[in-house]
Amino acid sequence: AQSVTQLDSHVSVSEGTPVLLRCNYSSSYSPSLFWYVQHPNKGLQLLLKYTSAATLVKGINGFEAEFKKSETSFHLTKPSAHMSDAAEYFCVVSDRPGNQFYFGTGTSLTVIP
Amino acid sequence: DTAVSQTPKYLVTQMGNDKSIKCEQNLGHDTMYWYKQDSKKFLKIMFSYNNKELIINETVPNRFSPKSPDKAHLNLHINSLELGDSAVYFCASKGTANYGYTFGSGTRLTVV
Repeated sequence: AQSVTQLDSHVSVSEGTPVLLRCNYSSSYSPSLFWYVQHPNKGLQLLLKYTSAATLVKGINGFEAEFKKSETSFHLTKPSAHMSDAAEYFCVVSDRPGNQFYFGTGTSLTVIP
Repeated sequence: DTAVSQTPKYLVTQMGNDKSIKCEQNLGHDTMYWYKQDSKKFLKIMFSYNNKELIINETVPNRFSPKSPDKAHLNLHINSLELGDSAVYFCASKGTANYGYTFGSGTRLTVV
């Protein structure tokens, strides 16, 4: 069975400080993992994806995530938060190509000026 | 050159009405989806079609009926709308490789 847990429903950071959004997954197979971002009143945009290549994945807007199989984690990080990063972030797991994707419950990121 | 387009973007309607939301993708993807996002931002899959065939049909009231005239289109028809149907509905598509979904921008449905 597949599932994904986003450990924090809300994260607040000051502008210019690091961002850490946590995600743990469970999967019966080698998973594919994704992070999506949803800005207010907008659709979901793919930030980055892990599909069994390099374990450190770089995405758009300076975000990156590291796949750690031993910890079943895929945490999203950014060295320095920008006001425009304020949004909802979803971690997603898929256990094999063609299968359904499973969404986490989302983490709302607030950036304080 | 929008990849996945949904119409309308906003839909306000009265209880009991019947409405449709349209979705089209120009990516050549074989699989399309409908997701419902509630007020708490939870995303729940409703339906999935692969090349015009229904492959996922989650526990959704039968007032909701998807229709896929071809693999580039997946429309959602809702009969006898209820207050609890108010949500944002997202259409998405995916190709054969596991490179993630491409989402539409959503349809905000408000039932009054």
